[in-house]
Amino acid sequence: DTGVSQNPRHKITKRGQNVTFRCDPISEHNRLYWYRQTLGQGPEFLTYFQNEAQLEKSRLLSDRFSAERPKGSFSTLEIQRTEQGDSAMYLCASTPSTEHYGYTFGSGTRLTVV
Amino acid sequence: GDSVTQMEGPVTLSEEAFLTINCTYTATGYPSLFWYVQYPGEGLQLLLKATKADDKGSNKGFEATYRKETTSFHLEKGSVQVSDSAVYFCALSETNAGNMLTFGGGTRLMVKP
Repeated sequence: DTGVSQNPRHKITKRGQNVTFRCDPISEHNRLYWYRQTLGQGPEFLTYFQNEAQLEKSRLLSDRFSAERPKGSFSTLEIQRTEQGDSAMYLCASTPSTEHYGYTFGSGTRLTVV
Repeated sequence: GDSVTQMEGPVTLSEEAFLTINCTYTATGYPSLFWYVQYPGEGLQLLLKATKADDKGSNKGFEATYRKETTSFHLEKGSVQVSDSAVYFCALSETNAGNMLTFGGGTRLMVKP
């Protein structure tokens, strides 16, 4: 297991199109998190899963955003009808669910909406 | 709600200089505190952490002490190297909030030879 894997690394899309990102966490980690990071800012929480259950969603996650984690393994984040303001780095992280050892982050997916 | 405030960068130092990056926080409970580092072109990596008051986290020559009385978690290193050039993020997490991290805005460190 080489860590948290995110695909694609980069995505350029036209405004109004739908995009989907994938995250493969460390296999023994129960919790999976999605964050968004814009240029020059710290990451902002979007949502998290414990196993397959989505336990928390930020108010940043509008109705155009949806996340899934079927079977508690990989997760997908879909953005419908993309807007230019959605351009950002989307980060995935995983961690064991007991104590907070600190996240293991993936390298992120950079989305550019043109 | 919870928040983290870091000193604005960039911080530019010469090699072997002493580093301090200030971080203060606001939290409703008793958070765990973290420093993450983002090297150019790479993802965020955990640098160090502290889970209770007066704990000192340390790693790779970096240290930070959890100060509850001043709600601070300042990052220090006695002698920086060019390879320490990166963006440093202070963050907190409250256990009763699903271990979600609240990050500061980040501080860019540039170390010149």
